Amino acid sequence: DIVMTQSPDSLAVSLGERATINCKSSQSLLYSSNNKNSLAWYQQKPGQPPKLLIYWASTRESGVPDRFSGSGSGTDFTLTISSLQAEDVAIYFCQQYYTTPYTFGQGTELEIK
Amino acid sequence: EVQLLESGGGLVQPGGSLRLSCAASGFTFSNYGMNWVRQAPGKGLEWISLIIPSGASTYYADSVKGRFTISRDNSKNTLYLQMNSLRAEDSAVYSCAKADYGDYGILHIWGQGTMVTVSS
Repeated sequence: DIVMTQSPDSLAVSLGERATINCKSSQSLLYSSNNKNSLAWYQQKPGQPPKLLIYWASTRESGVPDRFSGSGSGTDFTLTISSLQAEDVAIYFCQQYYTTPYTFGQGTELEIK
Repeated sequence: EVQLLESGGGLVQPGGSLRLSCAASGFTFSNYGMNWVRQAPGKGLEWISLIIPSGASTYYADSVKGRFTISRDNSKNTLYLQMNSLRAEDSAVYSCAKADYGDYGILHIWGQGTMVTVSS
C-alpha cells in the first residue's frame, strides 16, 4: 500500500499569514499516461464530513477560495493557504488515488495563533 | 443539489452484521463510481471500498476484504455496504462518497455518515 505522511501534525498560524502543509507519498503518484499526480487535499471541520479542496495535486475544486493552492509532483506535495482566515480552522488530509487501496495522510490540525 | 444520505448504522455485537445504505440524489447515480470511507472517533480517514458505475467491479481495503461487500442498485439510486463478522476495530462513522466522473478516487461529495459501534 502507498503510505501518505503529512507534516506537521499540527500548525498554528496568525490570521492573514501563510499556512503550509506538506504531504509525502511512499511512491510516485505521477501518472505517465496524463502527466498528472493523483493527489487530493480535503478539509474537515468539526462535526462535518471532509470537503474536497484540491485534486490532481493543483486543480482547485469549484467554489474553493483561491487562497488555497496545491503544488508538488512525484512524492512531495504541499497545500498552501496564502492568507489564513478564521473559517480555515480545520483538519487537512492528503489522499492518493493512484491505486487502490486509496490512502490518506494522518491529518494536519490547523489552528489560529 | 447533490445529496448523499447514509443510514443503517447502530450498535452491534462482535461477530454480528449490519447493512448500510446510501441514498443518492441530485445527479445521475448510474454514471459515477461510489466509495465508502470510515473514520473512527478522533482518528483519521480510512478508505474501505469502491464500486464502479455498472457495479461490475469492486475493490476493498485489506482490513475488510472477505467480510464487507459493496453493492449498488442503480434503479433505486442507492449504494450499500454489507458488513459481516464485525469487530470492535470496525467501530467508526461510515460515509459514502461520490467519485469524479473520470477518476474513481477523487471524492467530490461526501455524506454526513452513519455511526457503527461494535461492542458487547
